[in-house]
Amino acid sequence: DAGVTQSPTHLIKTRGQQVTLRCSPKSGHDTVSWYQQALGQGPQFIFQYYEEEERQRGNFPDRFSGHQFPNYSSELNVNALLLGDSALYLCASSLGSSRYEQYFGPGTRLTVT
Amino acid sequence: DAKTTQPTSMDCAEGRAANLPCNHSTISGNEYVYWYRQIHSQGPQYIIHGLKNNETNEMASLIITEDRKSSTLILPHATLRDTAVYYCIVRSLFGNEKLTFGTGTRLTIIP
Repeated sequence: DAGVTQSPTHLIKTRGQQVTLRCSPKSGHDTVSWYQQALGQGPQFIFQYYEEEERQRGNFPDRFSGHQFPNYSSELNVNALLLGDSALYLCASSLGSSRYEQYFGPGTRLTVT
Repeated sequence: DAKTTQPTSMDCAEGRAANLPCNHSTISGNEYVYWYRQIHSQGPQYIIHGLKNNETNEMASLIITEDRKSSTLILPHATLRDTAVYYCIVRSLFGNEKLTFGTGTRLTIIP
């Protein structure tokens, strides 16, 4: 058990709706990264938050946004959902100054209909 | 884009050593080799990482060639629970760089 928790586990949304996913990092970690994993593909980096600011961003449109709270937990928001946004969304936590491993949560399975 | 090349799939008999190869011919001097695995429907799990020396931990061994252009992950005594997708990732030494996943190797342990 890596200690990273995500909620909800699954959810179903309709095209055009908005969704918020939540992540609590492993105890002692201050950096949260979000990844999207489409079926049969490896995870793709969305963005990373450190000290409540977006530090790095992958090749994702502005419909994807996030937030980090003072307790280091994080949210991923996706607006104007498309069918192609259906995926497993993974959260990973790490220490900001560390170059070592990221610990992943179990993910949130989003289905857009 | 992923900087590594891995076979799409491999089989290994239970109890035998599983050897998973990875090519990373464009690796630079400040980049580590990381291995993660993902068991079905779970988040990726860190296994091991290394720079240029061979590394071993309780899960696996990592053998990196002298020119650092390839590496092999070794699971010494594979069990059915080692069935998973294994990802080889090259990651910068500096900062908390993102992980760039490829499609990995699907390892199936045969009873």
